[in-house]
Amino acid sequence: SQQGEEDPQALSIQEGENATMNCSYKTSINNLQWYRQNSGRGLVHLILIRSNEREKHSGRLRVTLDTSKKSSSLLITASRAADTASYFCATATSGGYQKVTFGTGTKLQVIP
Amino acid sequence: DTEVTQTPKHLVMGMTNKKSLKCEQHMGHRAMYWYKQKAKKPPELMFVYSYEKLSINESVPSRFSPECPNSSLLNLHLHALQPEDSALYLCASSRRLLGTERSSGANVLTFGAGSRLTVL
Repeated sequence: SQQGEEDPQALSIQEGENATMNCSYKTSINNLQWYRQNSGRGLVHLILIRSNEREKHSGRLRVTLDTSKKSSSLLITASRAADTASYFCATATSGGYQKVTFGTGTKLQVIP
Repeated sequence: DTEVTQTPKHLVMGMTNKKSLKCEQHMGHRAMYWYKQKAKKPPELMFVYSYEKLSINESVPSRFSPECPNSSLLNLHLHALQPEDSALYLCASSRRLLGTERSSGANVLTFGAGSRLTVL
């Protein structure tokens, strides 16, 4: 069963606007990652945040993590049409082997 | 080379056929993974190989048979599949088995573009 639940399930915005996606998870984690998937293609790693970090930036991406609430958010600023894709949070469980489990995903459409 | 290459891109097979999906990487990664993704669902882990040895089998039916002939190749042999096995099959790799290194780079999965399987 998947670890993360994401909301919204789908998001449609105009180019230039910011997009925020949220992820909630259930058990203790070592780190949380965000991946992007263009339609019918493989996933591409975007950013990783460790359980002892609260915020991380990479280009137009900002990720926050609140371990007390077991939640994370991904903010994409100044969105572009090319950002249209599905975005998945993925949690790596604590322990010897970190099984990476994907959330339900948010389908983002950026309208030019 | 920072890619994971999967072949074929598309495969249509009958329930009595035997076919194979192939995955190749030349990044020196020693952990390789098979994921299955149904439409509008997240990827689900099937198998994990570490140093060419099967480390994890997520209770996958025996009609799926993985093989890791060397550190660069990962195969998924398919036999007697059912129509509900139709899905996108994703191969991924990581430098080492996740959790066995402290560096964040070891915790990242690099995915191939996937093989779209249709079982008739």
